[in-house]
Amino acid sequence: QKEVEQDPGPLSVPEGAIVSLNCTYSNSAFQYFMWYRQYSRKGPELLMYTYSSGNKEDGRFTAQVDKSSKYISLFIRDSQPSDSATYLCAMTDFYTGTASKLTFGTGTRLQVTL
Amino acid sequence: GAGVSQSPRYKVAKRGQDVALRCDPISGHVSLFWYQQALGQGPEFLTYFQNEAQLDKSGLPSDRFFAERPEGSVSTLKIQRTQQEDSAVYLCASIPTGLAGPSSYNEQFFGPGTRLTVL
Repeated sequence: QKEVEQDPGPLSVPEGAIVSLNCTYSNSAFQYFMWYRQYSRKGPELLMYTYSSGNKEDGRFTAQVDKSSKYISLFIRDSQPSDSATYLCAMTDFYTGTASKLTFGTGTRLQVTL
Repeated sequence: GAGVSQSPRYKVAKRGQDVALRCDPISGHVSLFWYQQALGQGPEFLTYFQNEAQLDKSGLPSDRFFAERPEGSVSTLKIQRTQQEDSAVYLCASIPTGLAGPSSYNEQFFGPGTRLTVL
């Protein structure tokens, strides 16, 4: 079983819909929780990150982390066709003095239709 | 502005060939990661450099994979005797510093990747 589980989709929604994406994980050492967006044939780009549990909002995007349930979510409000991409959750712990590798989910492919 | 660049963008190799994939990180970035992304999967960690030191190579799938960063800037990932299962996108990411702390997550900036196809 993978450390991070994510439904690969695809997920198709109409423009303007609220999108909910989520991941579960098993490693309780994870401290940082990220959402990356990846367009076709491009590298991942960071959307949001959260340290430990809690919510974070940035424009149309809201990230939630529930460490007690080992469950993270990304909500996209008023979805746009330009939001069509693969959304990857990623997690890491941290070690003092070194950077830490990211552990990714499979990615959920999102299609926002007109 | 200049981001992380990778070359070549696409590489087709015959099974058994050796390949070399190049990563140019953002200037001045201390830390560099390599990831492998198979079709329909998320990226998986291969190896990590802090300056020229390879601090973690636990993700390299076999001894056919070798990475180097001799002067602490450009990095090369080499795959010897390529196999079909090596077909994937190889992503490079860099970070400004080697340190991470509770309130200052260091974003990994990804390049566009090299898509390797082994026939």
